Amino acid sequence: GENVEQHPSTLSVQEGDSAVIKCTYSDSASNYFPWYKQELGKRPQLIIDIRSNVGEKKDQRIAVTLNKTAKHFSLHITETQPEDSAVYFCAVGDTGNQFYFGTGTSLTVIP
Amino acid sequence: GAVVSQHPSRVICKSGTSVKIECRSLDFQATTMFWYRQFPKKSLMLMATSNEGSKATYEQGVEKDKFLINHASLTLSTLTVTSAHPEDSSFYICSALGTGGEKLFFGSGTQLSVL
Repeated sequence: GENVEQHPSTLSVQEGDSAVIKCTYSDSASNYFPWYKQELGKRPQLIIDIRSNVGEKKDQRIAVTLNKTAKHFSLHITETQPEDSAVYFCAVGDTGNQFYFGTGTSLTVIP
Repeated sequence: GAVVSQHPSRVICKSGTSVKIECRSLDFQATTMFWYRQFPKKSLMLMATSNEGSKATYEQGVEKDKFLINHASLTLSTLTVTSAHPEDSSFYICSALGTGGEKLFFGSGTQLSVL
């Protein structure tokens, strides 16, 4: 199966600064890479995703980049706000519709 | 977007009792649903994959006789924790593959506390 690693496990940034979270995966056949935001006690919410035929995708303050050769992808949050504080998970979807999750990053945005 | 409803949101039960958790896709048909267990501030641990009309596929280390999964229709999957014990206390979340079979939509989770 797929092996997904996510770093860092915790991240603190000042409000207005950028935050970057990275994930690596092992199966080169994987083709779908979503990112989820989870607030305490709530369901994970899809915030952005990218497919293997695209190198970068942006949605307002959030962007995801994918390097298929190196098998890693990153989440970028710019101009962070306190409400961005949450746990973020990357995931990797394979061709069999199986999803493998990273270990999560607890992001704290300090006002 | 697609909505997945999960009930109950919280349950407290005595040790030895069984608890059933329901996961429904409200506006789409979900041939595949997933069940996860999550510890505080930890990742989602996949327990099993539930396919409509067939037996669930359990991940290694998950006891299928303890965590019974039934996916009897295209909109409903249930997880029953049988003879629950305190170590089963956890946050359980379901998810469903949306139409097109790519995006995951999550239920709101069930916090199970076994006394």
